[in-house]
Amino acid sequence: GAGVSQSPRYKVAKRGQDVALRCDPISGHVSLFWYQQALGQGPEFLTYFQNEAQLDKSGLPSDRFFAERPEGSVSTLKIQRTQQEDSAVYLCASSKTSGANVLTFGAGSRLTVL
Amino acid sequence: GIQVEQSPPDLILQEGANSTLRCNFSDSVNNLQWFHQNPWGQLINLFYIPSGTKQNGRLSATTVATERYSLLYISSSQTTDSGVYFCAGGAYSGAGSYQLTFGKGTKLSVIP
Repeated sequence: GAGVSQSPRYKVAKRGQDVALRCDPISGHVSLFWYQQALGQGPEFLTYFQNEAQLDKSGLPSDRFFAERPEGSVSTLKIQRTQQEDSAVYLCASSKTSGANVLTFGAGSRLTVL
Repeated sequence: GIQVEQSPPDLILQEGANSTLRCNFSDSVNNLQWFHQNPWGQLINLFYIPSGTKQNGRLSATTVATERYSLLYISSSQTTDSGVYFCAGGAYSGAGSYQLTFGKGTKLSVIP
């Protein structure tokens, strides 16, 4: 596609529910990143994929967070047993080559946990 | 990890004024990018500038890698320039990691 597409744009979950957030990167982009942005803060790194390989997951805050990119294109960020502190905007970005050269971000998925 | 500090945190400009935003980073980086987050939350990449100077219309950026800072210049500001400006820096760790660390941003408000 022309840009990075994320869905859903808004998600409200009750505490304890599982959620799945989808990212469709720019076609052919090798690198894919997930970031978490709390209100009033800068984005914080969660995880990085190069094609289907998850090369860095050091930013995932707990084992409730899981990300995959099985075919090297679409990626899903899954959060199990959501907690209120998981409320944030989840941003996906992609870049054409390996690494973070010229990141293009999606519009984000805003998660609210009640 | 790398620490990124941005200044000023907030800036109010009259339309038509010029401004300079600064980004300091704690360690050497080989990747430095500037982004604009509009009021709807969309992050737009302005510059990929690990070193040197680039210009794009009314915006220009300079990174002095040896002194660990980058500057973003906005000239003849317009109301559409309002939003939050982030810089993000990173260095390849050699272990497959390409983390970019973002600063807290500069919130710019341009008033007519």
